[in-house]
Amino acid sequence: GQQVMQIPQYQHVQEGEDFTTYCNSSTTLSNIQWYKQRPGGHPVFLIQLVKSGEVKKQKRLTFQFGEAKKNSSLHITATQTTDVGTYFCAGNTRNTDKLIFGTGTRLQVFP
Amino acid sequence: DGGITQSPKYLFRKEGQNVTLSCEQNLNHDAMYWYRQDPGQGLRLIYYSQIVNDFQKGDIAEGYSVSREKKESFPLTVTSAQKNPTAFYLCASSYTGQPTDVLTFGAGSRLTVL
Repeated sequence: GQQVMQIPQYQHVQEGEDFTTYCNSSTTLSNIQWYKQRPGGHPVFLIQLVKSGEVKKQKRLTFQFGEAKKNSSLHITATQTTDVGTYFCAGNTRNTDKLIFGTGTRLQVFP
Repeated sequence: DGGITQSPKYLFRKEGQNVTLSCEQNLNHDAMYWYRQDPGQGLRLIYYSQIVNDFQKGDIAEGYSVSREKKESFPLTVTSAQKNPTAFYLCASSYTGQPTDVLTFGAGSRLTVL
């Protein structure tokens, strides 16, 4: 079945360093969404990408959808301790009517 | 404030017992979902419903049951047939159930089987 993998599984960075998580699908995606889950919390929607090659920015966060619509990335510039949490991508294909979540990347930021 | 309320937040159960997790939303969303979260495995879909009195199995429906008698409510029953029920359960809703919908999640229910 369709799989959505994320790498890395864990990432520890020093505050101020950059961070990137990558999301890869075995099939072409119609759209991709990104969610953030703080420790002990629930996932919260960040952004949705729909177009091939699309790039969106939210302050220090940059989201990209690959040209082939099979991969996506989230880049955080100059991490802060408030960025701590697990970041999930989620996508679906033309053949499915539900989102498939990636395995998540857990980010730890040391002050 | 609009949102999703899950209860209980923590639940302990003995093996062989059924347990029902509550999920209520006041967002006027048509679609509701139940996900299971285990460490390192992301979110896996258990059941979802796009309309009252109708629901569909997700990827890991075995050992679970749901009902959708009201638009606002989508309770999940974890039955004794579920072999490894200890997990964090998340309820979510979306406006219409279309793939491009944004999901709004509840705070979750953590079930521990003793």
